[in-house]
Amino acid sequence: GAVVSQHPSWVICKSGTSVKIECRSLDFQATTMFWYRQFPKQSLMLMATSNEGSKATYEQGVEKDKFLINHASLTLSTLTVTSAHPEDSSFYICSAREPTGGRLNTEAFFGQGTRLTVV
Amino acid sequence: DAKTTQPNSMESNEEEPVHLPCNHSTISGTDYIHWYRQLPSQGPEYVIHGLTSNVNNRMASLAIAEDRKSSTLILHRATLRDAAVYYCILGQGGGNKLTFGTGTQLKVEL
Repeated sequence: GAVVSQHPSWVICKSGTSVKIECRSLDFQATTMFWYRQFPKQSLMLMATSNEGSKATYEQGVEKDKFLINHASLTLSTLTVTSAHPEDSSFYICSAREPTGGRLNTEAFFGQGTRLTVV
Repeated sequence: DAKTTQPNSMESNEEEPVHLPCNHSTISGTDYIHWYRQLPSQGPEYVIHGLTSNVNNRMASLAIAEDRKSSTLILHRATLRDAAVYYCILGQGGGNKLTFGTGTQLKVEL
């Protein structure tokens, strides 16, 4: 089946620095990818929809200048957490769905997640 | 987005069937019913989805009520590896986003 890969799996950074997380669709082209954030014991919260070749669409309350999303190719989207602070420590997960190819609905594939710890 | 309601947690014994309920009384006619599960420290994993008819695959079965206001995910023989948080999500067709609720934490015991 289709695979979505994230890198890195975990990262520790100093407060004030920026961190980039990559999300790749390995065997299909994804014009749209989704970025989620998950705090301990909580559900996934959608942050933004990443659109290839155009600006990302951010959910209400998510700062677009802090969470920079770039979807430069059909297989790669990146999320950059700028000027990270301890409260940004979380589990970040990306997702992509295969092109429908005429099918009415397709399953979503998720990356393995990236554990960000800001110290 | 239409909302789903699931029990916070359920328990099962290994090798027994598990029925995970989901209520979605405000479902629209075009909403698909998706189920995903998430093991600890991993991204969610697709389980099954359907629109109106019951669905079966190698992982589970999905029973959808005739009025579509509720559904049940059925794991026919639970194993320890099935211990996870199970999310019932309503989604539009195509590549639209999925909005997660709180899910059901399934505990499987020997």
